[in-house]
Amino acid sequence: EPEVTQTPSHQVTQMGQEVILRCVPISNHLYFYWYRQILGQKVEFLVSFYNNEISEKSEIFDDQFSVERPDGSNFTLKIRSTKLEDSAMYFCASMADTDTQYFGPGTRLTVL
Amino acid sequence: GENVEQHPSTLSVQEGDSAVIKCTYSDSASNYFPWYKQELGKRPQLIIDIRSNVGEKKDQRIAVTLNKTAKHFSLHITETQPEDSAVYFCAPNSGGGADGLTFGKGTHLIIQP
Repeated sequence: EPEVTQTPSHQVTQMGQEVILRCVPISNHLYFYWYRQILGQKVEFLVSFYNNEISEKSEIFDDQFSVERPDGSNFTLKIRSTKLEDSAMYFCASMADTDTQYFGPGTRLTVL
Repeated sequence: GENVEQHPSTLSVQEGDSAVIKCTYSDSASNYFPWYKQELGKRPQLIIDIRSNVGEKKDQRIAVTLNKTAKHFSLHITETQPEDSAVYFCAPNSGGGADGLTFGKGTHLIIQP
């Protein structure tokens, strides 16, 4: 069964550095999402992406964040200048033309 | 936006007993009601979902019931087993493709042997 994949599984970075988190959605899916989950808390929506543009974004998704689909398979989340409070698990998700979103295994981002 | 409440936050049951988790929501436009299970350090995984044109759906030991008038839906797990121990999240939404999911705060289900 196809699955969403994410790399790396764990990223450690220094405060102020840029990071890029990578996702490969399920191949025939049309909608792509990023979520984050701070340790011990709920999953929070960041941004959705469809037809090569951002569809919806939350208050969390400020100017420090950007997303890109550079080719037909990858979907990336960039954080330009990381802050301590960006430390979290970041999940990518994708969806076909149904309602069900499928999540990747996540990237644990640690900002020192 | 959607306001989602889950109860209880923690639920401890004896193995073999049943567990019920309730989710209330505010947006009357919501018409898709999924439940996700998240084991420690793992991804959220869809375990069951229901759409607003039905009131109940069952899949083996798991069922979801929906009361759209009262704006709540519940997850029912019967004959609980140790592998059911996890955090369960509801995420009601309108089902539109671009909509991000608004998750509840989660229910930590503990199965006591």
